[in-house]
Amino acid sequence: DAKTTQPNSMESNEEEPVHLPCNHSTISGTDYIHWYRQLPSQGPEYVIHGLTSNVNNRMASLAIAEDRKSSTLILHRATLRDAAVYYCILRYGGSQGNLIFGKGTKLSVKP
Amino acid sequence: DAGVTQSPTHLIKTRGQHVTLRCSPISGHKSVSWYQQVLGQGPQFIFQYYEKEERGRGNFPDRFSARQFPNYSSELNVNALLLGDSALYLCASSFSMGAEFGELFFGEGSRLTVL
Repeated sequence: DAKTTQPNSMESNEEEPVHLPCNHSTISGTDYIHWYRQLPSQGPEYVIHGLTSNVNNRMASLAIAEDRKSSTLILHRATLRDAAVYYCILRYGGSQGNLIFGKGTKLSVKP
Repeated sequence: DAGVTQSPTHLIKTRGQHVTLRCSPISGHKSVSWYQQVLGQGPQFIFQYYEKEERGRGNFPDRFSARQFPNYSSELNVNALLLGDSALYLCASSFSMGAEFGELFFGEGSRLTVL
C-alpha cells in the first residue's frame, strides 16, 4: 500500500488559516487522497477527498500537487473545535474500501 | 438521523475470555468495517463486510472474526482475549465500497480493557 508522511504535530492560532501537509510520493494513478480527523474521545470523521483536482467543501479545501506526490489540507479559519489528529490516507480506487491510517498530525489551536 | 451506533461503549474482560461487539450502520448503508485503535496509534483495519460477505481482512489473528446480518448490522468477536487486545474498537459504515464514493462514517467505538 502506498504510504503517506505527515508532521507529527502543528500549532495554529484561532481564526487563522491552517495548512496541513502530506507527502505521498509512491501514490498510484488510482489512489484517492482522503483526509479524516479524530477529535478526542471520538471516532474518526471524514473531512474531504480528491483524486487530481483541488476540492472544496464546507469543512476544508484540499490542494493536490500537479504530480500528485503531495497534498495540503487547508482549514480556512481554525477554531478551537478543529483541534484534533488529522490523517492523510491513500485509498485504492477499486473495490477495496479499507483505510490505512498512519499516525497523523496532531493539530493544536491556541485561542 | 441516527449515526453509526456501537455497543457496549465500555467493557472489561479478563485474559482468555471472549467478547462480542455490535454495530448498527446508518440506515441504507450496506458496508461495515471494523478497526482497532490502540492508545496513541491510528486505527488499524480488521474486517470489511459488504452485502453480508467478507470483502477484506487485515493482519489480525484468527481469534478475530466478524459477520454481517441481513439488516446490515454487524458483530465483531474476539476469542481467547490477550492483554494486547485492549483497545478502542471502531465500526464504520458506508453506502458502497469504492474509494471514489467518499466517506466512511465512524461510530464512537467500544472501549475494551483486558485485565
